[in-house]
Amino acid sequence: EVQLVESGGGLVQPGGSLRLSCAASGFTFSTYAMSWVRQAPGKGLEWVSAISASGGSTYYADAVKGRFTSSRDNSKNTLYLVMHSLRAEDTAIYYCARVLGEYCSGGSCYVPAYWGQGTLVTVSS
Amino acid sequence: QSALTQPPSASGSPGQSVTISCTGTSSDVGGYNYVSWYQQHPGKAPKLMIYEVIQRPSGVPDRFSGSKSGNTASLTVSGLQAEDEATYYCGSFGGSANLVFGGGTKLTV
Repeated sequence: EVQLVESGGGLVQPGGSLRLSCAASGFTFSTYAMSWVRQAPGKGLEWVSAISASGGSTYYADAVKGRFTSSRDNSKNTLYLVMHSLRAEDTAIYYCARVLGEYCSGGSCYVPAYWGQGTLVTVSS
Repeated sequence: QSALTQPPSASGSPGQSVTISCTGTSSDVGGYNYVSWYQQHPGKAPKLMIYEVIQRPSGVPDRFSGSKSGNTASLTVSGLQAEDEATYYCGSFGGSANLVFGGGTKLTV
């Protein structure tokens, strides 16, 4: 069974930093691209970042480009999102998600299929 | 402003069918067959219901179906059941390495 468990969320002041983790199990982590998707309280879904299976390629939404960095440790089956210069508008539940198929290419790498339960990040003074 | 446009709400009685639309542009919905639909119950993570416009993941009832015409994709739920009451989001590959979502449609049964 695919399991994704996020951690690292919490309250941080504007301008601060935070590192989220996503522990994966139940599948061969190193063969699947992963994504981060966030959801502000009471709002819709917003794609944040995607990372290739090897970790060699990363992609970001314009809203977080230059401030957020996605990485992965395939030996530890763990995905990370490091967030700097946090703003109030970054307040959201952050979900990690696995794509549907192994060794995806092109648009198929942008189909989050399995989602964790999310971790809440609150940016406030 | 969400990149894809969905109606904020939809409703139907048990046993009826309802269709939810998702309108984008030729740069996303109209340009690629990578439209997905997600079901989200309150306090829960989203669940993939349809991918690549018409495909259903294993375990999703065949009451759920997807389609696309031009820049508009649609999700149809047939034989509505009480447990189908949820918010539904569409998503589409937007080219240039990005994924765009709709604002969500709250389905009331």
